[in-house]
Amino acid sequence: AQSVTQPDIHITVSEGASLELRCNYSYGATPYLFWYVQSPGQGLQLLLKYFSGDTLVQGIKGFEAEFKRSQSSFNLRKPSVHWSDAAEYFCAIRLTGNQFYFGTGTSLTVIP
Amino acid sequence: ETGVTQTPRHLVMGMTNKKSLKCEQHLGHNAMYWYKQSAKKPLELMFVYSLEERVENNSVPSRFSPECPNSSHLFLHLHTLQPEDSALYLCASSQDTGLAYEQYFGPGTRLTVT
Repeated sequence: AQSVTQPDIHITVSEGASLELRCNYSYGATPYLFWYVQSPGQGLQLLLKYFSGDTLVQGIKGFEAEFKRSQSSFNLRKPSVHWSDAAEYFCAIRLTGNQFYFGTGTSLTVIP
Repeated sequence: ETGVTQTPRHLVMGMTNKKSLKCEQHLGHNAMYWYKQSAKKPLELMFVYSLEERVENNSVPSRFSPECPNSSHLFLHLHTLQPEDSALYLCASSQDTGLAYEQYFGPGTRLTVT
C-alpha cells in the first residue's frame, strides 16, 4: 500500500541554524511529491513540488528539497531557519488526480 | 475575499444535531476537495468534485454528505456524528484534478462533536 512517513514528529532548532525534515514514501513508481506548511489556524500552503527532472527543487521561503529515488526520500531543507518558519510541515505524494497521501507531519519549533 | 474561505471556523455540535460546513473559492477553479485532519493522523482526502460532479468518495461514512451547487461553492452536511469525527475539516480547490495542478487550502473548520 502507498504511504508517506515523516519519522520526526517534532524538531527544535535555533534561529539561524540549518534544517532538514525527512520524508520517505512507499510506492512502486515515482509519485508526484509535495511539501506543505501549515501555520497555526491556517490551511496548508504549498512550499514546493517535484514531478520530474532536476532532483533538487527550489521552493518558496528559501526552502529546497531533494528527491532520491534509491532511498524513496524527499527531504526538505533550509540553510538558515527564521523564527517565522515555526509551523507544521507535511510531505505528500500524489498518484493520480484523486489519490493524495499525506504524512503525519513534523512540528518545527524555532528557539531564539 | 480572496483564495479559499471556510465558515464557520469553529463548530461545536451534539451527536443528534445537523449542521453544514461551507467552503467558497474565489480563484475560478474547477475542482474542489474536502479533507479531514485529525490529531496525529495523516490528512485524509474525503471527497473530490470536478465541475460540480463528485469524482471521488474515499469510503466516507454516510453521515457526511457533500454538496457542490456550483464550481465556487462546496458544502459538507453533517448529521448524527460521532465524537471521533471531531477534527479540522479542510477545503481545497485546484484549477483541475490533474496531477500537476496545485491545491489551495482554506483555513479549515474546527469541529467538536460532544
